[in-house]
Amino acid sequence: EAGVAQSPRYKIIEKRQSVAFWCNPISGHATLYWYQQILGQGPKLLIQFQNNGVVDDSQLPKDRFSAERLKGVDSTLKIQPAKLEDSAVYLCASSPHVGRENIQYFGAGTRLSVL
Amino acid sequence: AQRVTQPEKLLSVFKGAPVELKCNYSYSGSPELFWYVQYSRQRLQLLLRHISRESIKGFTADLNKGETSFHLKKPFAQEEDSAMYYCALRVQGAQKLVFGQGTRLTINP
Repeated sequence: EAGVAQSPRYKIIEKRQSVAFWCNPISGHATLYWYQQILGQGPKLLIQFQNNGVVDDSQLPKDRFSAERLKGVDSTLKIQPAKLEDSAVYLCASSPHVGRENIQYFGAGTRLSVL
Repeated sequence: AQRVTQPEKLLSVFKGAPVELKCNYSYSGSPELFWYVQYSRQRLQLLLRHISRESIKGFTADLNKGETSFHLKKPFAQEEDSAMYYCALRVQGAQKLVFGQGTRLTINP
């Protein structure tokens, strides 16, 4: 089966600019996650969707970050305006269903550099 | 709050030697623990999880609730084991994963 698709793979912007990332989860996966991974750290959850509803966005900096999952399939994550500390890899993951068998599958990530 | 600690950022062992990657967690409830691995130029992928109690690529990990640990072990390291390893915790009733900072394992020939 096709994996989680993310684009772009790399993005370089200047601070105060806007940027958007796109994620296409594995077909049929109800749950979608966006993680931020800063260099030298493990991934940190930003937001979790169950179909098109938000389950957890407690660690999303809502003053500058936004995300949506229209129609419960693809998702976009936006940063506006970007700060230097937003430089990181943004990982999208999806999982098929809720429960103990719920395994997350990760995309290749988008590496963002804010100059 | 939940926390996962991987005390070693870097670990280097020789091929054929035993390897142990340490993971400790902080969580008052009943945790689910995972090990994820990222090989060079590949995406993050699940290696094993404690509820399966299985050995994957020769690796095993036992959940020790008394010591709040989930160390990853392999008796004889191979060069292809070189990768970044992340320990992760899923709290009861939730789906999100809390990751440790990762350990870069290098197997020397």
